[in-house]
Amino acid sequence: EVQLVESGGGLVQPGGSLRLSCAASGFTFSSYEMNWVRQAPGKGLEWVSYISSSGSTIYYADSVKGRFTISRDNAKNSLYLQMNSLRAEDTAVYYCARDGTSHYYPWAFDIWGQGTMVTVSS
Amino acid sequence: QSALTQPASVSGSPGQSITISCTGTSSDVGGYNYVSWYQQHPGKAPKLMIYEVSNRPSGVSNRFSGSKSGNTASLTISGLQAEDEADYYCSSYTSSSRKVFGGGTKLTVL
Repeated sequence: EVQLVESGGGLVQPGGSLRLSCAASGFTFSSYEMNWVRQAPGKGLEWVSYISSSGSTIYYADSVKGRFTISRDNAKNSLYLQMNSLRAEDTAVYYCARDGTSHYYPWAFDIWGQGTMVTVSS
Repeated sequence: QSALTQPASVSGSPGQSITISCTGTSSDVGGYNYVSWYQQHPGKAPKLMIYEVSNRPSGVSNRFSGSKSGNTASLTISGLQAEDEADYYCSSYTSSSRKVFGGGTKLTVL
């Protein structure tokens, strides 16, 4: 079964850091681009970051650029999001989402994890 | 990158058809045929319903269809069913190689 499982969410104070992980299974992780997408409570979806299959190409939303770092370990079938200088407005459910660009679904998110909640509050 | 514009809510009765619009600019929706649509039920992860403007992934009902004209994409759901009640989001590739979502539309089946 194709699956993405996020972990690492929790409560953190403003200005703090958190590292999210996403474990992939059921598909060849190393051949897929990946993304992080977040959703603030009661709000819509917001794309956060993209990483190519090799990790050589990375993009960020302006709202997180300079504070968040996306990375991957293809040997461990894992995607990461290092979040620094966290703000209250970063409070959201964070989803990892597989990018279908190289496999049938150009620039679409074809598989999603169940999400992990990040709360930034003092 | 500004969010794409969707109506906050739409509604329809079982069996009817509804259409949700998604308006962007020539730098996203109008510039590329890479518009996708997602269905999200409360407390659940989004699900891909349409990709490349009008294509359905395997397993998605043919009651769902997509189209685009200029800077506006549309999702049409025909033969509305109770289980279609959910939030719907459009997304587009952009000229800066990033992605952008719409604000979301809540579909109510009356």
